[in-house]
Amino acid sequence: EAQVTQNPRYLITVTGKKLTVTCSQNMNHEYMSWYRQDPGLGLRQIYYSMNVEVTDKGDVPEGYKVSRKEKRNFPLILESPSPNQTSLYFCASSRLAPLTSYEQYFGPGTRLTVT
Amino acid sequence: AQTVTQSQPEMSVQEAETVTLSCTYDTSENNYYLFWYKQPPSRQMILVIRQEAYKQQNATENRFSVNFQKAAKSFSLKISDSQLGDTAMYFCAFLNYGGSQGNLIFGKGTKLSVKP
Repeated sequence: EAQVTQNPRYLITVTGKKLTVTCSQNMNHEYMSWYRQDPGLGLRQIYYSMNVEVTDKGDVPEGYKVSRKEKRNFPLILESPSPNQTSLYFCASSRLAPLTSYEQYFGPGTRLTVT
Repeated sequence: AQTVTQSQPEMSVQEAETVTLSCTYDTSENNYYLFWYKQPPSRQMILVIRQEAYKQQNATENRFSVNFQKAAKSFSLKISDSQLGDTAMYFCAFLNYGGSQGNLIFGKGTKLSVKP
């Protein structure tokens, strides 16, 4: 089954404790992206990657890191989480091909709470 | 920079009736897609419908259709014969495939409640 998986689905942590949210896709997609969703703000892009070893900042990258060492994986790293990073996080992936309309497939989301 | 505006934070509709959700966008680009995503209480993001900018014909997917007005930069979603399962957040999204390929820009969402 074609899918994007994220782990963990729920996480409660404390300020300053490093954490990683994993994202993996099995569709051989070139493009992967992380979004955060906050009430009243919609989804905002954190980082994206056009291919292996190619990453770039989105609209809200502060406090986050990413890496793309393999095509299928795109982990999100919070090295020193703060309460303002409490949010719902989505990973997404897509082909970079016009015929696909660049449709993005989303993971199930990770609910992160930083106390 | 592109922006997407959804001016209706919340809407409600009676079951079996029709409802229209509004979306406007701002861009100077010519090559782009527009999307409507549904997010039910499960939080999963589900693609409802898509429209490519160069296509004049409005997209339709079963009970969902769009009214795409390119000159007015408007992209509204019409849901016909509303069902209880349509209760969800709906996000309008823009994607420019000419420059930063693949980067979706979302509106802030409209919370739709379908009442029995």
